[in-house]
Amino acid sequence: KAGVTQTPRYLIKTRGQQVTLSCSPISGHRSVSWYQQTPGQGLQFLFEYFSETQRNKGNFPGRFSGRQFSNSRSEMNVSTLELGDSALYLCASSLEGGSPGELFFGEGSRLTVL
Amino acid sequence: AQSVTQLGSHVSVSEGALVLLRCNYSSSVPPYLFWYVQYPNQGLQLLLKYTSAATLVKGINDFEAEFKKSETSFHLTKPSAHMSDAAEYFCAVRNQGGKLIFGQGTELSVKP
Repeated sequence: KAGVTQTPRYLIKTRGQQVTLSCSPISGHRSVSWYQQTPGQGLQFLFEYFSETQRNKGNFPGRFSGRQFSNSRSEMNVSTLELGDSALYLCASSLEGGSPGELFFGEGSRLTVL
Repeated sequence: AQSVTQLGSHVSVSEGALVLLRCNYSSSVPPYLFWYVQYPNQGLQLLLKYTSAATLVKGINDFEAEFKKSETSFHLTKPSAHMSDAAEYFCAVRNQGGKLIFGQGTELSVKP
């Protein structure tokens, strides 16, 4: 059974640009969550999608957005990139949103903003 | 609001020694608690989880954790450290909204 797949794994952008990251969840999983990981702030929750609807949202500015498609694949977008957006962006999927079950994480997309 | 505090950002043990990684949580309702491990350049992998069943939870690779409500703790232990256990470990609590709230992480080093 394939795990959570995130693309691209690495990317470099410059300030002011925008970026789109993709996440394909484990087959059958309907919930997808996104987290930002930085050395200073640790792991911070961005948002969660379930059945194409955003169920939860973290405390990030509106430059961070996401969506989920009917096949449960998800994308997140960051517009007007800032240096502080450099981070590892992790996607996680689970069978059902809101359950106490485990989240299965992808290997992440490492974004560097110059 | 729920929160997690991991005591010690770095822990170093010798191979074969006991591993103890500390986690305290804050929650106004019975929590769901998790320990995840992250190896370099990889995502997070679940070690174990507590969901109000047995207070002593066994996970993968001989790790276990004990839920102690009176101490609001969920410390992670392993009787004998292996070199392959060197990684970063995260304690997390799941709130009523379903999202995971992570601690700041503890980096475990294992000396030969």
